[in-house]
Amino acid sequence: GEDVEQSLFLSVREGDSSVINCTYTDSSSTYLYWYKQEPGAGLQLLTYIFSNMDMKQDQRLTVLLNKKDKHLSLRIADTQTGDSAIYFCAETKGGQNFVFGPGTRLSVLP
Amino acid sequence: DAMVIQNPRYQVTQFGKPVTLSCSQTLNHNVMYWYQQKSSQAPKLLFHYYDKDFNNEADTPDNFQSRRPNTSFCFLDIRSPGLGDAAMYLCATSISGEQFFGPGTRLTVL
Repeated sequence: GEDVEQSLFLSVREGDSSVINCTYTDSSSTYLYWYKQEPGAGLQLLTYIFSNMDMKQDQRLTVLLNKKDKHLSLRIADTQTGDSAIYFCAETKGGQNFVFGPGTRLSVLP
Repeated sequence: DAMVIQNPRYQVTQFGKPVTLSCSQTLNHNVMYWYQQKSSQAPKLLFHYYDKDFNNEADTPDNFQSRRPNTSFCFLDIRSPGLGDAAMYLCATSISGEQFFGPGTRLTVL
């Protein structure tokens, strides 16, 4: 079956870069996503990448996709305290069924 | 501009007392989802609608039902809430691979 894995915790210092990693098993995934969830809130779509791309940049966010290794990463440049949240990796094949990873809790230390 | 709206944001019910959670969208997306999320876990898909076609996940308990009277609205009915049903319930919509979440309803069962 489909599976998405992430490390559960990451701590960085304010101003440093954060890199959150994700691996998935379904080689036929068509879209891969990063969502951010702050306490008590819903999931906010940060960015997504098509499986035929290997990189996408959007302001402080850089997504890298290694399709051969089924590895997705999210790099946050100049991490701020407001970036502290849980980050979920997700994938979908046809755009209907979304499979989420367990989430990585990012803590930003002053 | 609110795009996926959930009401109420907080719901308290008693053990065994039926409860209905509401979701509406202004996006005119054809797919709507209900997820259950327990603390610090990934959202767990309960069911989704593709237009009027209902798709139930195999492990969604019979206690959970859903209605989608039109494109804009979708309801989650919990017929006899148990203590284990206390969670955040997230509604989402999607079109062409992009999924958007509402803010969630936190359900407390006393």
